[in-house]
Amino acid sequence: QVQLQESGPGLVKPSQTLPLTCTVSGGSITSGAYYWSWVRQHPGKGLEWIGYMYSSGNTYYSPSLKSRVTISADTSNNQFSLKLSSVTAADTAVYYCARVSYGSGSYFFDSWGQGTLVTVSS
Amino acid sequence: QTVVTQEPSFSVSPGGTVTLTCGLSSGSVSTRDYPSWYQQTPGQAPRTLIYGTNTRSSGVPDRFSGSILGNKAALTITGAQADDESDYYCLLYMGSGIWVFGGGTKLTVL
Repeated sequence: QVQLQESGPGLVKPSQTLPLTCTVSGGSITSGAYYWSWVRQHPGKGLEWIGYMYSSGNTYYSPSLKSRVTISADTSNNQFSLKLSSVTAADTAVYYCARVSYGSGSYFFDSWGQGTLVTVSS
Repeated sequence: QTVVTQEPSFSVSPGGTVTLTCGLSSGSVSTRDYPSWYQQTPGQAPRTLIYGTNTRSSGVPDRFSGSILGNKAALTITGAQADDESDYYCLLYMGSGIWVFGGGTKLTVL
C-alpha cells in the first residue's frame, strides 16, 4: 500500500517561494503506471488541482498557476516536490500530494497524503 | 476556462437516496473525461470513492455508485447513512494533461 507524506515550512513570507516535498513509501515514483500530483485547498474552500509530473519528467500544470509552479522529482529519495514562486496570502492553503493511476482504461487520483497547511504571512 | 459545476449543498434523510451531479459550464460530461468522485470530511484528506465513471475504489460500500445521467456525471448514494455526511468532489480530465475539480457538494444527512 503506497503512502504519501507532505513536508515543508508551515509559514512562508509573501513574495518568497513555497517549497514542499512529498515522500512516497510502498511504491516507486519511477513506476510507469503513475503520475505524481499536487492539489491544494484554501481554508473552507474546495479542492484545486495544481499540477503533476510523470516519471519521464514530463510535467503538466494548471493554467492559472503555470507561471509560478514547478514540480520535480528526486528519484534517489523517492520524493517529488512542489515549488510555488511569488506567493501571496491567496496561496495560504492545505497542500496535498497525490498519486494518479493511469492504465487499463482508468485515470484517477488513487492515493493521497494527509495534507500540510502552509500560511503565507509576514 | 471550463468550469466544473456541482450542487453547493444537498440534504438526504437517513436511509434515503440522493444523486449528486457534476457538469460542465459548456458541453457534456462523458466517460472520456474519466469522471471520478472524492469524499472529504473536515480536517481529513480526500478519499477516492468512484473512478472511471462507475468503478468503486477498494473498500467503498456498494451504496455508492457512479454513472452518466444526461449530460452530467452522477454520484448516487442509496441508503444514506449518518457518516455519509461529507463534502463530495468530482474531478474531470480536460485533456492535454489538465484536470479540474468541481466546487464540491456539502451533503447533510438528517
